[in-house]
Amino acid sequence: EVQLVESGGGLVQPGGSLRLSCAASGFTFSSYGMSWVRQAPGKGLEWVANIKQDGSEKYYVDSVKGRFTISRDNAKNSLYLQMNSLRAEDTAVYYCARGFGSLWGQGALVTVSS
Amino acid sequence: DVVMTQSPLSLPVTLGQPASISCRSSQSLAYSDGNTYLNWFQQRPGQSPRRLIYKVSNRDSGVPDRFSGSGSGTDFTLKINRVEAEDVGVYYCMQGTHWPRTFGQGTKVEIK
Repeated sequence: EVQLVESGGGLVQPGGSLRLSCAASGFTFSSYGMSWVRQAPGKGLEWVANIKQDGSEKYYVDSVKGRFTISRDNAKNSLYLQMNSLRAEDTAVYYCARGFGSLWGQGALVTVSS
Repeated sequence: DVVMTQSPLSLPVTLGQPASISCRSSQSLAYSDGNTYLNWFQQRPGQSPRRLIYKVSNRDSGVPDRFSGSGSGTDFTLKINRVEAEDVGVYYCMQGTHWPRTFGQGTKVEIK
């Protein structure tokens, strides 16, 4: 089955860190650029980061630059998002998405609160 | 950053009637490779987003043909031919031409 499955969400204190993972299956993961997109409670979608197929290029929205790092392991068909120095405004459901959004995961909830 | 502006933000529709959502970008979405990377997504209540349309007017696999996309440059439209109950949700446009990628605010479609 073609799918993306996120994991690693949870509750973290402000200033803390969390690492999200996204496991891909059913398609050739290494052929696609991958993205993380987030959605704060009751709000719209916000693109967060993108990584090229071979990991050579990475792009971030300004609000997470220097704090978040996107990476991938094509041998493990996995995408990651390392989130450091987390803030309350980072609270959201984080989705991994394939390419230009042709496939989405079910999302992982990240809550930043003391 | 490219600002994507959708209208209306709320769209009450009658079952079986057409619906139309506008999306305008603050810069042209035409890319140097000849493509225009404007996508439309549907997010039903409690679900992950699902792409309906890519590169302005191409329907994704499994998307009913009552959905259509059109436009060019900075002005784009998503049309639903005859709204069905399963079309309730929030619709987002997203540009994939410029970094960072940006979404519209979303248009909530509901049944009158």
